[in-house]
Amino acid sequence: AQKVTQAQTEISVVEKEDVTLDCVYETRDTTYYLFWYKQPPSGELVFLIRRNSFDEQNEISGRYSWNFQKSTSSFNFTITASQVVDSAVYFCALSEGTLTGGGNKLTFGTGTQLKVEL
Amino acid sequence: EAQVTQNPRYLITVTGKKLTVTCSQNMNHEYMSWYRQDPGLGLRQIYYSMNVEVTDKGDVPEGYKVSRKEKRNFPLILESPSPNQTSLYFCASKLSPTDTQYFGPGTRLTVL
Repeated sequence: AQKVTQAQTEISVVEKEDVTLDCVYETRDTTYYLFWYKQPPSGELVFLIRRNSFDEQNEISGRYSWNFQKSTSSFNFTITASQVVDSAVYFCALSEGTLTGGGNKLTFGTGTQLKVEL
Repeated sequence: EAQVTQNPRYLITVTGKKLTVTCSQNMNHEYMSWYRQDPGLGLRQIYYSMNVEVTDKGDVPEGYKVSRKEKRNFPLILESPSPNQTSLYFCASKLSPTDTQYFGPGTRLTVL
């Protein structure tokens, strides 16, 4: 069974600090997909990034970067120079590649609440 | 604009009063799902549909029903809501099994 662990329940930083959100996953599938979603206080889920298991290249998008390491089953998310608008709950999620139960459902971690203060 | 819509966005009801939360997508996606979000548990899949007239249970289907009569619509039905179904509900859709899933804005349901 697939599993996603986000051990950090809540993180508080001061604006402009860098912050890393951890995500560790478990799956028996050799092909799988990893995602990060952002949930701002308004409640919607905003898709941030998708990573395929066969592509370990790290990605940077503005102040956001993602570090995917298959050797440690981790897919960590770093925000550089954090801003108040980054305050949100961030979810890491996993979807297996073979057609499995749930229509290749997303398995979510429990989320990390990030608070960025002035 | 490509989107998933849900209605209502907020609903307060009483135990046992049947309700339906509608979900619609305009992206011609084959796959649709319902998730519920609860504190400390993340999101969990309730039901999913791989195509019209094809639906199946997710991880937490008890107390819910769904139907998929049209490709774009996937309503969630609570025949007899109970307080433990108080939650934040999300509808989602994707083009194919391994595609990225896009979520609706959420429906916050309170059952008294």
